Amino acid sequence: KQEVTQIPAALSVPEGENLVLNCSFTDSAIYNLQWFRQDPGKGLTSLLLIQSSQREQTSGRLNASLDKSSGRSTLYIAASQPGDSATYLCAVWTGTASKLTFGTGTRLQVTL
Amino acid sequence: NAGVTQTPKFQVLKTGQSMTLQCAQDMNHEYMSWYRQDPGMGLRLIHYSVGAGITDQGEVPNGYNVSRSTTEDFPLRLLSAAPSQTSVYFCASTRLGSYEQYFGPGTRLTVT
Repeated sequence: KQEVTQIPAALSVPEGENLVLNCSFTDSAIYNLQWFRQDPGKGLTSLLLIQSSQREQTSGRLNASLDKSSGRSTLYIAASQPGDSATYLCAVWTGTASKLTFGTGTRLQVTL
Repeated sequence: NAGVTQTPKFQVLKTGQSMTLQCAQDMNHEYMSWYRQDPGMGLRLIHYSVGAGITDQGEVPNGYNVSRSTTEDFPLRLLSAAPSQTSVYFCASTRLGSYEQYFGPGTRLTVT
């Protein structure tokens, strides 16, 4: 059974810092990994999708990497801003299970 | 495109009542799914469908029923609501082969 873990569960950083969020998964037979952002009381916004054949994806200040063999992904946020404060979720699509498995998220707070 | 839409946004039920949460997508996606999100437990898959007429159970299917008569719609029925079903419910869709998930805005359900 696929299990997805996100560390840390919560993180507080001052504005302007670069930061890394971690995601690990137990079954490397994945089709893709997707990072989402969720604001309090809101839905999920897709940030980046990495296919299993890719090593990284970039969008603006965000960069996500994937090491399928070791079961790890990182989300790098450059020059953090207070508007980045949210919960970040990673999810993997496991082919054998035909479903998406989520981690429990990292709650990020960027302070002024 | 409206993407994935869900109704209602909020709902309060009494124990034992039944109701249907609506989900629709206009992207012609084959795969649709329902998740519930509870504090500390992340998002868990309730039911999913890979096409009209085909549904299957996820991790937490008990107390819920689904059907898929069209590609666009995937309603979730609560047969006899219980307080343990108090949660936020998200519907998602994806094109098979892409597996990039698109989420609806969610339905916040309270069962008293």
